[in-house]
Amino acid sequence: EIVLTQSPGSLFLSPGERATLSCRTSQSLSITYVAWYQQKPGQAPRLLIYGASTRATGIPDRFSGSGSGTDFTLSISRLEPEDFAVYYCQQFARSPWTFGQGTKVEIK
Amino acid sequence: EVQLLESGGGLVEPGGSLRLSCAASGFTFSSYAMTWVRQAPGKGLEWVSGISDSGGSAYYADSVTGRFTISRDNSKNTLYLQMNSLRAEDTALYYCAKDSGKIAQREVFDHWGQGTLVTVSS
Repeated sequence: EIVLTQSPGSLFLSPGERATLSCRTSQSLSITYVAWYQQKPGQAPRLLIYGASTRATGIPDRFSGSGSGTDFTLSISRLEPEDFAVYYCQQFARSPWTFGQGTKVEIK
Repeated sequence: EVQLLESGGGLVEPGGSLRLSCAASGFTFSSYAMTWVRQAPGKGLEWVSGISDSGGSAYYADSVTGRFTISRDNSKNTLYLQMNSLRAEDTALYYCAKDSGKIAQREVFDHWGQGTLVTVSS
């Protein structure tokens, strides 16, 4: 099973700042098979990014993904109030499909 | 608009059974694989099971293999998860999700329902 480790566990930032979230995988993967999801309190997860940097429908371009090998990054260029949430990375290269433990982006 | 509505959750004793349902609308259900993902209270996401568009192929996490069965009725646009021999560690919010493709392999989950809560406790 591929283990995904996200860091930091929590990130305290102000609106307008840039957020950089890390996801490290226990095996080397193509970025083609890495996805990011956003989850707000009391809501279902929502797909943000998958593949090299393909944004899901309706996702603004302030969200972007990058990385290679075992290190992947979700970047949010300028945080909007609605971006404060928990973010999960996921690999879908090898079954079982696994998720990281999440990074919570909180208002400073 | 894609809509996924789960039902069937509840309180069950260890060793008991439940069947979850997910009613889908807003897309051609028979053209997409479907998935169940669960989230234990205050915890992260865990993939549980996936099924291809036709229902001909099904996949399971090791933690539920032999106890859970995924199925679908394309005539009713409904996905199911039969859960037997339930354990305390199965307590979670169970989400139904639409896959981005047909085969339930190497696909992302592009739409999610709001989940149905399963609590296993005596």
